[in-house]
Amino acid sequence: DIHMTQSPSTLSASLGDRVTITCRASQSISNWLAWYQQKPGKAPKLLIYDASSLQSGVPSRFGGGGSGTEFTLTISSLQPDDFATYYCQHYKNDLYTFGQGTKLDIK
Amino acid sequence: QLHLQESGPRLVKPSETLSLTCSVSGASLTSNSYYWGWIRQPPGKGLEWIGFITYSERTNYNSSLESRVTISLETSTSQFYLTLNSVTAADTALYFCACALGPTTGIDYWGQGALVTVSS
Repeated sequence: DIHMTQSPSTLSASLGDRVTITCRASQSISNWLAWYQQKPGKAPKLLIYDASSLQSGVPSRFGGGGSGTEFTLTISSLQPDDFATYYCQHYKNDLYTFGQGTKLDIK
Repeated sequence: QLHLQESGPRLVKPSETLSLTCSVSGASLTSNSYYWGWIRQPPGKGLEWIGFITYSERTNYNSSLESRVTISLETSTSQFYLTLNSVTAADTALYFCACALGPTTGIDYWGQGALVTVSS
């Protein structure tokens, strides 16, 4: 099974900051990676797929990058609505695994 | 717009079977390339993929749950199902049904989730 590791587990930042979350896969997954945002008590929301493709309707301040085993999610200028938990997920070979999550809170 | 809604018992006794239904509107379960799946989230913890089923009833499951889980679908009622056998307290979680529009799109649509508690 492919294991996904996110870092950091928690991240404190201020409005307007640029932040980056990293996701590492235990083996190469090409670009078969998605990123989600989740708020308490709600379903996750798809932000990025295929490592860098922005889902329709997602603000352009969200960006994804990487391939192989290392990936990033960058938020260019934090807005109030962005404070949430973020998950990466691979979908190589029709099997899915999520990272453990990164909680982004207000400094 | 595709909409998903979970239903089923919210309290299950240890050693018994958890059964949930996902009702789908806005799309057909026979839609080519769609993946219909289940994901769960224990209270205060992260997301865990359970498995999915395709329009052709091909299934894939999380290896850690494979011996206890079955996902099936019924096209005539636009519903798909989750059964999880021999549950323990560790299976207490918010269970989401979800849909990926293809094998490389990520999970595009989610239900609101159903909290299932395993307790005697």
